[in-house]
Amino acid sequence: DSGVTQTPKHLITATGQRVTLRCSPRSGDLSVYWYQQSLDQGLQFLIQYYNGEERAKGNILERFSAQQFPDLHSELNLSSLELGDSALYFCASSVADDSPLHFGNGTRLTVT
Amino acid sequence: GENVEQHPSTLSVQEGDSAVIKCTYSDSASNYFPWYKQELGKGPQLIIDIRSNVGEKKDQRIAVTLNKTAKHFSLHITETQPEDSAVYFCAASPFMYSGGGADGLTFGKGTHLIIQP
Repeated sequence: DSGVTQTPKHLITATGQRVTLRCSPRSGDLSVYWYQQSLDQGLQFLIQYYNGEERAKGNILERFSAQQFPDLHSELNLSSLELGDSALYFCASSVADDSPLHFGNGTRLTVT
Repeated sequence: GENVEQHPSTLSVQEGDSAVIKCTYSDSASNYFPWYKQELGKGPQLIIDIRSNVGEKKDQRIAVTLNKTAKHFSLHITETQPEDSAVYFCAASPFMYSGGGADGLTFGKGTHLIIQP
């Protein structure tokens, strides 16, 4: 068990809808990262937060947004969902930029 | 940006034999190279990592080698066991001491390792 908790485990929704994925990092970790895993694209970095502030942005669509709260948990919001957004979404955390990433078990999003 | 190529996509070996997975990267500024193991229904788990100031690192049955000149690094698993069956990902980052950094980790597409009994 990595200590990173993601909810929900599975999410099924329709095109055009909006969903929120939640992540609780390991105790003491200040950095939270979001990754998308799909069969054709592999693991793609979306965004990083450090202690509540956005730190880095990767291949995140404008329809997606994230935030990190004072208690360090993070939420990834996906809106105007399309079929192509169906994927596994992983959250990872680390103590700081100079420490390894630890991944949660992901949220499987299915858009129908 | 960085591009990481990983080979093979599927590797089947007999239990007890060795397995080698290879990755190449494009950005000569990359300095941190972790390997992750992903089992079905779980997230990637860090199994070993290496930084550019080291050429080889070993942890029990697992070893990683890095050739910065050729821009490639490899994962070696010896005496393979059934529990080694999983998908393995290599990754690269430009930050010497970073688990992610401004661009995050760039991952290879993964190798499905199958251990035949």
